[in-house]
Amino acid sequence: KAGVTQTPRYLIKTRGQQVTLSCSPISGHRSVSWYQQTPGQGLQFLFEYFSETQRNKGNFPGRFSGRQFSNSRSEMNVSTLELGDSALYLCASSLVVGQPQHFGDGTRLSIL
Amino acid sequence: DAKTTQPNSMESNEEEPVHLPCNHSTISGTDYIHWYRQLPSQGPEYVIHGLTSNVNNRMASLAIAEDRKSSTLILHRATLRDAAVYYCILLSGGSNYKLTFGKGTLLTVNP
Repeated sequence: KAGVTQTPRYLIKTRGQQVTLSCSPISGHRSVSWYQQTPGQGLQFLFEYFSETQRNKGNFPGRFSGRQFSNSRSEMNVSTLELGDSALYLCASSLVVGQPQHFGDGTRLSIL
Repeated sequence: DAKTTQPNSMESNEEEPVHLPCNHSTISGTDYIHWYRQLPSQGPEYVIHGLTSNVNNRMASLAIAEDRKSSTLILHRATLRDAAVYYCILLSGGSNYKLTFGKGTLLTVNP
């Protein structure tokens, strides 16, 4: 059974640009969550989607957005990139909301 | 959110048991105790979770104190592949599953 797949694995952008990250959950999993991980702040929750609807949102500015498609795949978008957005962005999926999550290996985003 | 306290680092020898402690003195009655671990250059991996009773699975055992103010993750025979940062997290039961990791415990396994 394939795990959670995130693309791309690495990405370099400059300030002011925007970026879209992709996540394919484990087959059959309908809940997808996104997290930001940095050495200073640890793992921080961004948002969660279930059946194409955003169910929960963390404390991040509106520049961070996401969506989920009918096949449960999800994308995350960050606009007007700032240096502080440099981080490992992790996607996790579970069968339904409230179950232990399975993580991908993340997309490492570097802002120059 | 209820807070957990873990040692910054621990060391073990290969094939020996490892006991990773976690203190959560402000735990509420509906909080589940979850453990995740993160190997270098990988995403976090779910290990185990429990509410009141001790739990076992193929990866580890979770021993929960009777007053639930502390718990211990037990790896019965450490391998080099178990070297990782281990996170102890409290999550309320129900649909709110927003993980927040602190610094965790860095486990080093010596050959």
